[in-house]
Amino acid sequence: EPEVTQTPSHQVTQMGQEVILRCVPISNHLYFYWYRQILGQKVEFLVSFYNNEISEKSEIFDDQFSVERPDGSNFTLKIRSTKLEDSAMYFCASSVSGGSRELFFGEGSRLTVL
Amino acid sequence: AQKITQTQPGMFVQEKEAVTLDCTYDTSDPSYGLFWYKQPSSGEMIFLIYQGSYDQQNATEGRYSLNFQKARKSANLVISASQLGDSAMYFCAMRENQAGTALIFGKGTTLSVSS
Repeated sequence: EPEVTQTPSHQVTQMGQEVILRCVPISNHLYFYWYRQILGQKVEFLVSFYNNEISEKSEIFDDQFSVERPDGSNFTLKIRSTKLEDSAMYFCASSVSGGSRELFFGEGSRLTVL
Repeated sequence: AQKITQTQPGMFVQEKEAVTLDCTYDTSDPSYGLFWYKQPSSGEMIFLIYQGSYDQQNATEGRYSLNFQKARKSANLVISASQLGDSAMYFCAMRENQAGTALIFGKGTTLSVSS
């Protein structure tokens, strides 16, 4: 069964460093997303991406964050100058359409900022 | 105001019993979708079931069914014949179609199934 894959599964970084989280969405999907889950809390929307541009973003997604699709398969989330409060599980997700009845998540990338 | 409310932080059930996980939502958008996800201790988010606001029938997927009561704005997940592997966190989520594609999640309910 097709799945969304994410790398790395866990990354530890020092405060102030840049981090890139990578995702390979399901191949025929057109909408891509990043969500964040701080430990023990609910899942929060960060950004959605369609047709090579950001279609929506939350207030969490400030200038520290950026996304891109550098090639036909990868979808990346870059966090510049990480802060302690960026420590969380970051989930990539994809769907066929914006109104899709199914939104598939990857297994997540756990980011720990020291 | 909370858009998605899950009032049960934890639920306990015996194997083979049915369990209902509560979810209420708040929206003025006439077109919306409701989702349930399972998050086991390993952390991944597993899609379980979807209900559209215009769907006439309650959604079912195997042992999962969604008790959709539109007037009450509730979308409870019913798991029949619970299994030990059902022990996990369960999240209810909503997408308001006029607001875009983002899902808004509730705080989750931890389900523990015992033998």
